[in-house]
Order: sequence, then C-alpha cells, then structure tokens
Amino acid sequence: NAGVMQNPRHLVRRRGQEARLRCSPMKGHSHVYWYRQLPEEGLKFMVYLQKENIIDESGMPKERFSAEFPKEGPSILRIQQVVRGDSAAYFCASSPQDRGYGYTFGSGTRLTVV
Amino acid sequence: QKEVEQDPGPLSVPEGAIVSLNCTYSNSAFQYFMWYRQYSRKGPELLMYTYSSGNKEDGRFTAQVDKSSKYISLFIRDSQPSDSATYLCAFSHGSSNTGKLIFGQGTTLQVKP
Repeated sequence: NAGVMQNPRHLVRRRGQEARLRCSPMKGHSHVYWYRQLPEEGLKFMVYLQKENIIDESGMPKERFSAEFPKEGPSILRIQQVVRGDSAAYFCASSPQDRGYGYTFGSGTRLTVV
Repeated sequence: QKEVEQDPGPLSVPEGAIVSLNCTYSNSAFQYFMWYRQYSRKGPELLMYTYSSGNKEDGRFTAQVDKSSKYISLFIRDSQPSDSATYLCAFSHGSSNTGKLIFGQGTTLQVKP
C-alpha cells in the first residue's frame, strides 16, 4: 500500500519560471492538504482540497499560487513566476476524511529558486 | 503571542536517557493534540494523538496534555540513537472541516550512543 507520493523530490527553477508540484494521495484518501516548510520554521498550512473542490485556501499567498485536485489524477500545487523566497520544502498530506488528526504526509518536494 | 510555542533546541542526550519535549499553546479551541516525528529530508510521521487531558502511552512514548495550563508534553523513555529527529507538536480544531493543523517550530533531538 503506497503512501502519499510526491514528485519531483527536488525541483530547481530560475526566478520567473513556473513550478508544478504533484501529489498522489494514499489509496482511499479523498482529502489533500498542502503545507510549506521554510528554513528554520515549522510547517505552515497552505490549502485543503477535496476532489474538484478547494475547501480552505486561507494559507495560500494571494498571488502566484494555485492548487487543484481534479476528478482524475494527482493534486497539483502551482507557483507562477517563482521568486527566491519561494524556496522551501512543500509537503502534501492526505486523509480518508477530515477528522482533525491522522494525516499521512509525503516526503515532500524541495524547491530551490536560483 | 504565538499560537504555539516550542523550544527549537537542539536537545542532546545520552542513549538511554528520558527525554521530555514540550509545547504551550494559546488557543483554547484546539481539540486534537498531536506529536509528529520528522527525520532529515523526510516528511512528518504521526507518532501520537490525543483529544483529552491526561496521559496516553504507546511503547516508549507517552503523550501528556494539560488543557487547563495549555501545555502538552512528549516523553521518550530509554531513548535510542534512532530517535534522533525533529519532533513537532501539532494542534487542530477537530472535525470542523478546515483541514488545518497548526504546528510548533519543532525541537531537534540528538541521542548520542
């Protein structure tokens, strides 16, 4: 039973380019969450999605960031026109229902903006 | 005041020691209290969760919650070098459909053989 799969594991982008991060939840999980971990900081919530719906995006920066979880395929976190401050580890988690605990995290995508 | 306070450490202990990790929080609406372990370059892994005041034990790990003082702890008995990791406390409002966990900054633990 595969866990939460994130790819790529490492992503290098030049300033101004677009970054697309993918997350496949665990089998049977329909709730997906994205978190960002900046150097020397804890994990910060970004967005919570169910299939084809954004439930809570209160942690997403207002510009350049978007997320989707289509009916088919992985969840995508998209960052347009990346800047150096976007360099961080981005983690995806999933759960079978939103019960407030028990999320399973992936190994993350480490984005470096040069 | 931060919603969650956690001493980042680092904390270094000899193998076999009892480790105490702590977090304080300010939001009385939190219903679930969790501890995650994160190894370097890996994702967080849920160690324990609880929703009530008191102690919960799982093997060498004990989670303690004091809602009146807004304080949670994780105790590790007979610590091993394999316990060397960053430990994150996390909180949620329960099944309120928000999907949001609030994490502490994490405490880095090193257990020396």
